[in-house]
Amino acid sequence: QVQLQESGPGLVKPSETLSLTCTVSVGPSGSYFWGWIRQPPGKGLEWIASIYYSGGSYYNPSLRSRVSISVDTSNKRVSLNLTSVTAADTAVYFCAEYGSGSFLEFWGRGMLVTVSS
Amino acid sequence: SFVLTQPPSLSVAPGQTARITCEMSGIGSKSVNWYQQKPGQAPVLVVYDDSDRPSGIPERFSGSNSGNTATLTVSRVEPGDEADYHCQVWGSATFPVVFGGGTKLTVL
Repeated sequence: QVQLQESGPGLVKPSETLSLTCTVSVGPSGSYFWGWIRQPPGKGLEWIASIYYSGGSYYNPSLRSRVSISVDTSNKRVSLNLTSVTAADTAVYFCAEYGSGSFLEFWGRGMLVTVSS
Repeated sequence: SFVLTQPPSLSVAPGQTARITCEMSGIGSKSVNWYQQKPGQAPVLVVYDDSDRPSGIPERFSGSNSGNTATLTVSRVEPGDEADYHCQVWGSATFPVVFGGGTKLTVL
C-alpha cells in the first residue's frame, strides 16, 4: 500500500514562498506519478501540478508562473514551491499518487497552510 | 477549456438511490473518476475509468458516462455515505487534471 505524507510550515507570510514536501513509501502498485492538489477552506479541489519519476511535469496554467514541482527519487520525495503567496493560497495541500490511469489512487492526509502576517 | 459542472448539493433518504451528475460537453469521450471526501479527511477514490471500483469500495457505488453527462450512483444510501463527491477527468496535455466543483450529499 502506497503511503504519502505532506510536511512543511503551516504558516507562511504574504509575498513569501510556500515550500512543501511529500514523502512517498512506494508499494508494489506504485505508479511513480504524483500530483499536488489543494482545497481552500469550504471550497472544492484544485489541481496544482503533477510530476513523473523521470521528472516530466505538468502545471495548472493559472498557477504556472508561481509553481515549481520536483522529485528526489533517491529519497522518495516530491516537492512543491509556490512563490509570492497571498491569502488566496490558504488551503489544505494534498499530495497524491496516480494509479494506472488518470486517477489519483492514493492520497496523503493533507496539510493546512495558512498565509498570514 | 474543460469545465466540469456538478450540482452543489443533493439530499436523499436512507435506503434510496443517489445519482450525482458531472456535466461537460463531450465528457463521454473522457475517463471520469469520482472521489468521496468526508469532513476533515482526504478524498478517497470510489470509481475510476467511468465505472470501475477500487478494492474495498462497496458495490453500491457505480458509475456511468455517456454523451455530456457522467453519473455516480450510490444505491441503498447509508448515513455513512454523507460526504462531498468530486468528479475528475484528464483534460488535455496543457491542463491534464480537472475537478468538478463537488456535490455535498446529505442523507436525510
